[in-house]
Amino acid sequence: KAGVTQTPRYLIKTRGQQVTLSCSPISGHRSVSWYQQTPGQGLQFLFEYFSETQRNKGNFPGRFSGRQFSNSRSEMNVSTLELGDSALYLCASSLDYTNTGELFFGEGSRLTVL
Amino acid sequence: GQNIDQPTEMTATEGAIVQINCTYQTSGFNGLFWYQQHAGEAPTFLSYNVLDGLEEKGRFSSFLSRSKGYSYLLLKELQMKDSASYLCAVLNRDDKIIFGKGTRLHILP
Repeated sequence: KAGVTQTPRYLIKTRGQQVTLSCSPISGHRSVSWYQQTPGQGLQFLFEYFSETQRNKGNFPGRFSGRQFSNSRSEMNVSTLELGDSALYLCASSLDYTNTGELFFGEGSRLTVL
Repeated sequence: GQNIDQPTEMTATEGAIVQINCTYQTSGFNGLFWYQQHAGEAPTFLSYNVLDGLEEKGRFSSFLSRSKGYSYLLLKELQMKDSASYLCAVLNRDDKIIFGKGTRLHILP
């Protein structure tokens, strides 16, 4: 069974640009959540999608957005990049809502903003 | 506010036992998770506690006391491959999973 796949794995952007990250969940998993991981703050919840609907949202500015497609694949977008957006962005999938089972994480997309 | 505290780093010896503590103050509580994350890799699920008490799974056990807002992860018969970060996470009443900053565990031969 293939795991959670995130693309791209590494990317470098400059301030003011925008970026789109992609996540393909495990086949059959309907819930996808996104996290930002930095050395100082640890893992911080961005948002969760279930059946193409945003079910929950963390405390990030509106520059961070996401969506989920009918095949459960998800994308997140960050506009007007800032230096502080440099981080590892992790996607996690689960069969149902995240509160009913374990999360399966992808390897992450490491974003560097210059 | 939401707060999850765990030690930043711990060191233990191969073959020994180590206990990683986690205290939490969150808006409601619907369960507590422990994840393991090796450097440069994705976090992987270790355990889930929703009721008070001890859950044992092989060399790893996790304990929860909801009244004290406290959990610990117990690792027995430590192996070098257990060197990793251990993340405590709480599912709050808004169905958001709040993670602690993680405990980096170093295993010495």
